[in-house]
Amino acid sequence: QSALTQPASVSGSPGQSITISCTGTSSDVGSYNLVSWYQQHPGKAPKLMIYEVSKRPSGVSNRFSGSKSGNTASLTISGLQAEDEADYYCCSYAGSSIFYWVFGGGTKLTVL
Amino acid sequence: EVQLVESGGGLVQPGGSLRLSCAASGFTFSSYEMNWVRQAPGKGLEWVSYISSSGSTIYYADSVKGRFTISRDNAKNSLYLQMNSLRAEDTAVYYCARGRVAGDYWGQGTLVTVSS
Repeated sequence: QSALTQPASVSGSPGQSITISCTGTSSDVGSYNLVSWYQQHPGKAPKLMIYEVSKRPSGVSNRFSGSKSGNTASLTISGLQAEDEADYYCCSYAGSSIFYWVFGGGTKLTVL
Repeated sequence: EVQLVESGGGLVQPGGSLRLSCAASGFTFSSYEMNWVRQAPGKGLEWVSYISSSGSTIYYADSVKGRFTISRDNAKNSLYLQMNSLRAEDTAVYYCARGRVAGDYWGQGTLVTVSS
């Protein structure tokens, strides 16, 4: 149950696009199309932004998109806005004979 | 509106016990799987435990196995986490989260501090 690997920080200017990577293993990210992404503002609860690799919950802006290739998932935010500045966490579900959620270490997004 | 409200956190000495609660409203609680997730101060998220909608299937992270017990009362729309033999490293904000493959709704969290 090792943590997924994310960059500690990324930054971008308003209007630009950024991508956050999330690398796991063949036991988690690579085995399941069940990667989710969470946005967390300081002092607040995490908010689901992407589930099942690329699906957006109702109410989440279409500026947020997700993808996966092999053991690496990615979150792309286009048209950066000031309110996008937050911590972002990826998470992979691992199921079948066992169950756990494994999270990435988190990425601090700074909007310059 | 879906709401999850945690309670029961506080300061406890190492080796002590605490019981967290998560009160659910705005959805049919008995139909949903639930989880506890924690976040140590300044750190990332860590999944703690899962319980199926009926309560019949339960899983724990290795870090809490044998010390924590998850349960639910569907009649009271409530989720619980009994935490025993608490250690300093259990200090964290504890969140309840709804869902199996992802947490689509989260509570605001309750802070547990383990310190002498």
